[in-house]
Amino acid sequence: DADVTQTPRNRITKTGKRIMLECSQTKGHDRMYWYRQDPGLGLRLIYYSFDVKDINKGEISDGYSVSRQAQAKFSLSLESAIPNQTALYFCATSDAPRGDNQPQHFGDGTRLSIL
Amino acid sequence: SQKIEQNSEALNIQEGKTATLTCNYTNYSPAYLQWYRQDPGRGPVFLLLIRENEKEKRKERLKVTFDTTLKQSLFHITASQPADSATYLCALGTGANNLFFGTGTRLTVIP
Repeated sequence: DADVTQTPRNRITKTGKRIMLECSQTKGHDRMYWYRQDPGLGLRLIYYSFDVKDINKGEISDGYSVSRQAQAKFSLSLESAIPNQTALYFCATSDAPRGDNQPQHFGDGTRLSIL
Repeated sequence: SQKIEQNSEALNIQEGKTATLTCNYTNYSPAYLQWYRQDPGRGPVFLLLIRENEKEKRKERLKVTFDTTLKQSLFHITASQPADSATYLCALGTGANNLFFGTGTRLTVIP
């Protein structure tokens, strides 16, 4: 979905480094999400934000932090990367004012490898 | 423990046949269920949503059923085409627009 842009698309880094993954959207949605996808485990929610002042932990938030800089921007940080954080990371948005049950719109992901 | 299982990791069918994918769940009480398609190197794309009080939903060649007694959703693609080859994900929504995803079924439609 070109309306949700993730950068970088690929990143290889070393254990202990600080990494930031960025997500920007042009859909005008209030809600934004960060997921990681691992083979055999599916998509798991890391953090979510219902508006600029609202940040919530998801299922697997340990080792991660987020920042919602504006309605359109939501970044994910790994303060000190470890190899088991190697995964495919996705950002998503949804349209809150229309209520719950709304579809989520995903970016094309960041493939992160930690050596 | 909570679990979402999609019937098989991979499913191969012949072009023109109907593909049926299964999503079973335990220890959830979903208010709705969504199905997504994911192509290699891309993010999931929303296909259909069905609410707990709905039995069936259709969109073109796609049909979804939702049985809260069996704790199961079935996803059908009729007259399947090679372009339907992808991984299909089910996702349960329990409110507040947070979704819990299954691991997906990789569908291959053979010409």
